[in-house]
Amino acid sequence: EPEVTQTPSHQVTQMGQEVILRCVPISNHLYFYWYRQILGQKVEFLVSFYNNEISEKSEIFDDQFSVERPDGSNFTLKIRSTKLEDSAMYFCASTPGLAEYNEQFFGPGTRLTVL
Amino acid sequence: KNQVEQSPQSLIILEGKNCTLQCNYTVSPFSNLRWYKQDTGRGPVSLTIMTFSENTKSNGRYTATLDADTKQSSLHITASQLSDSASYICVVRGSQGNLIFGKGTKLSVKP
Repeated sequence: EPEVTQTPSHQVTQMGQEVILRCVPISNHLYFYWYRQILGQKVEFLVSFYNNEISEKSEIFDDQFSVERPDGSNFTLKIRSTKLEDSAMYFCASTPGLAEYNEQFFGPGTRLTVL
Repeated sequence: KNQVEQSPQSLIILEGKNCTLQCNYTVSPFSNLRWYKQDTGRGPVSLTIMTFSENTKSNGRYTATLDADTKQSSLHITASQLSDSASYICVVRGSQGNLIFGKGTKLSVKP
């Protein structure tokens, strides 16, 4: 069964460094999402992406964040200058159509630790 | 303010027993409501999606109900299994596309 994959599973970085989290959505899906979950807290929406551009973003998704679909299969989240409070689990998700009525398929997540 | 509140925060039940998890929301206008199961350290997995016109939906041993008038939903798990141990998250989508997640109910099923 097709699934969303994410790499790496765990990323440790120093404060101020740039990180890129990678996701491979399900191949025929059109909408892509990033979420984060700080340890012990609820999942929070970051951004959605469709047709090679951002369609929605939350207040969390500030200028330090960017997303890209560089090659038609990968979907990446870049954090330019990491802060301690960026430590969280980051989940990628994809849907075949508009998420309003479609099931979102989540990846296993990347645990980001900022030291 | 758009919010999703879940109760209880955590629940321990014996294998084979039934349980019901609650979700109250204040998201308005409302588009749909979803229940997800999240195993520790894994991504959420969708259980049910309901629009405002649906008031019950089943997926195997999971049955979700929705009362759009009182803005309440429940997830009923029948004949629980050890593998049901997970967090169950209620997510409400507003008509403007925003997704509001609840904090989840942590369910532990004991043998």
